[in-house]
Amino acid sequence: QVQLQQSGSGLVKPSQTLSLTCAISGDSVSNNLAAWNWIRQSPSRGLEWLGRTYFRSKWYNEYALSMKSRISINPDTSKNQFSLQLNSVTPEDTALYYCARDFGGFGPWGQGTRVTVSS
Amino acid sequence: DIQMTQSPSSLSASVGDRVTITCRASQNINNLLNWYQQKPGQAPKLLIYPASTLKSGVPSRFSGSGSGTDFTLTISSLQPEDFATYFCQQSYSTPLTFGPGTKVEIK
Repeated sequence: QVQLQQSGSGLVKPSQTLSLTCAISGDSVSNNLAAWNWIRQSPSRGLEWLGRTYFRSKWYNEYALSMKSRISINPDTSKNQFSLQLNSVTPEDTALYYCARDFGGFGPWGQGTRVTVSS
Repeated sequence: DIQMTQSPSSLSASVGDRVTITCRASQNINNLLNWYQQKPGQAPKLLIYPASTLKSGVPSRFSGSGSGTDFTLTISSLQPEDFATYFCQQSYSTPLTFGPGTKVEIK
């Protein structure tokens, strides 16, 4: 059974960096049939896909254009996890953040991390 | 970006009712459409992919259909545990995008 466990700070100051990690059990971040995603949810934006990392003989990253200058998603094969870094956050980045595997649809999902951007 | 719309945005129904939710994509996405159910305080749960395949463990009262730009999710006989918000999501191209959701409430 695949499970994703999120960790990271739920409170970030404006202009600083949001950092979250998603630990994978029951699968491998190097699975060449899966992609590992970050998605956020807020009342104003709904469900918003942020980006993904995946391995197909080499590593690939894809990001939402709206995030592209600020976002980095990286795999860590030694710990079987992947991470999200979002730089220069503003209050508009306040949301519930999820990691999720894409293996023919998103599932499973992490438990979610409520991130608030506030001084 | 491919825009996803859903209708209705909310509906009230009774246990045993047949419920249909519509999802429309702003361009042809073939059959690359997934459906999710989300209950309060929980992450979304994958129900159907792509377009019409029921995920293992999902009750057979759920079904999906459609291709191109128009898709439907049908619950043949609504059960108490089905009261939730339902989202569609296209997996045709990045950025992957979701519909705004349809909230199914108890009448």
